[in-house]
Amino acid sequence: QVQLVQSGAEVEKPGSSVKVSCKASGGTFSKDIISWVRQAPGQGLEWVGRVIPYTSRINYAQTLQGRVTITADISTNTAYMELNNLRSEDTAIYYCVLNDASGWVWFDPWGQGTQVTVSS
Amino acid sequence: QPVLTQPASLSASPGASARFTCTLRSGISVGTYKILWFQQKPGSLPRYLLRFGSDSDKHQGSGVPSRFSGSKDASTNAGLLLISGLQSEDEADYYCAIWYSATWVFGGGTRLTVL
Repeated sequence: QVQLVQSGAEVEKPGSSVKVSCKASGGTFSKDIISWVRQAPGQGLEWVGRVIPYTSRINYAQTLQGRVTITADISTNTAYMELNNLRSEDTAIYYCVLNDASGWVWFDPWGQGTQVTVSS
Repeated sequence: QPVLTQPASLSASPGASARFTCTLRSGISVGTYKILWFQQKPGSLPRYLLRFGSDSDKHQGSGVPSRFSGSKDASTNAGLLLISGLQSEDEADYYCAIWYSATWVFGGGTRLTVL
């Protein structure tokens, strides 16, 4: 079973950027899709975007369009989520999760989550 | 108006059934969309429960008990998650999601209290 291992917690200043990684351990991305979901403190789930590594097709949440970049490196089975021009409201736990090739099945477990804190 | 609306909370007794609603915004027909449901227990990762598009288009997440099921109510334009035989371990937040305008949209979540 593929496990998703994310990079460690980050503390950034407003206006700066953060890049979070998500590596598939024990397997490959195959034809799967990697989605990113975030959760602000005490709040619900918010989809950030997704990448289909084998086609490089990417979709972003409209609210983050222009500030977020999602990429995937098939050779290292690692996906990345970069968020620019950080604001305090970007403070959240960021999760990566595998979806099947159709996008209609989501696989557990999700990545362990990466805490991103934006603070001056 | 949000794309998906979920009640903030729901309470039910052990052994009873719980019915979660996920109401789609006016103008977005529930019959057109597949509804995904997720569970998140306190301090834990979210977990994919199931997908319901229709009786012939549904999927149960790996290891998810059959007492969790999905359906739709066209009269209220809502997706439904039904949990039968409630257990204390079902206490969690439950989220619905749809693929809308090339993005995944989550509902705000419903907190289930089993008391």
